[in-house]
Amino acid sequence: ELKVEQNPLFLSMQEGKNYTIYCNYSTTSDRLYWYRQDPGKSLESLFVLLSNGAVKQEGRLMASLDTKARLSTLHITAAVHDLSATYFCAVDYNNNDMRFGAGTRLTVKP
Amino acid sequence: NAGVTQTPKFQVLKTGQSMTLQCAQDMNHEYMSWYRQDPGMGLRLIHYSVGAGITDQGEVPNGYNVSRSTTEDFPLRLLSAAPSQTSVYFCASSASAHQPQHFGDGTRLSIL
Repeated sequence: ELKVEQNPLFLSMQEGKNYTIYCNYSTTSDRLYWYRQDPGKSLESLFVLLSNGAVKQEGRLMASLDTKARLSTLHITAAVHDLSATYFCAVDYNNNDMRFGAGTRLTVKP
Repeated sequence: NAGVTQTPKFQVLKTGQSMTLQCAQDMNHEYMSWYRQDPGMGLRLIHYSVGAGITDQGEVPNGYNVSRSTTEDFPLRLLSAAPSQTSVYFCASSASAHQPQHFGDGTRLSIL
């Protein structure tokens, strides 16, 4: 059974600082997704990573995938308040059989 | 574009009652899924479908049924509601296994 672990689960950052969220998974997969969820809202897609070494960047967020280490990272550069949200990674276990991490609740403070 | 539409948005049930959560998408997506979201546990997959007429169990399927008679619709049925099924339910769809999922706005369900 695939297990997906995110850490940290809670992250409080100062504006302008950098930080990384980690997503580890227990079974071989080459499809990993990152989503963002604002409080009381639905999820929106951030990144799709489909191969070993994949790197995607959008604004202050950059995601990478190392399938050999079963690890994905979401790096935040020069955080701003608008990035405050919960971030989830999700791993495709078996053709759309998805497993989500517990989420990282990010708070960016002035 | 409507995207993924879930109804109802809120529902309160009594233990033992049955109900159907509706999910419809207008993007002609083959893949559809149902999740529940509980505090501190992320999303857990209930059932999923890779096309009309095809459904499969996810991580937490017990107490729920699904069917996929059309590409557009993927209803989730609670057979006999229990307080443990109090949760927020999300429906999602995607064009393929290599595409991100589009999520509906969710259904907040309380079982008394």
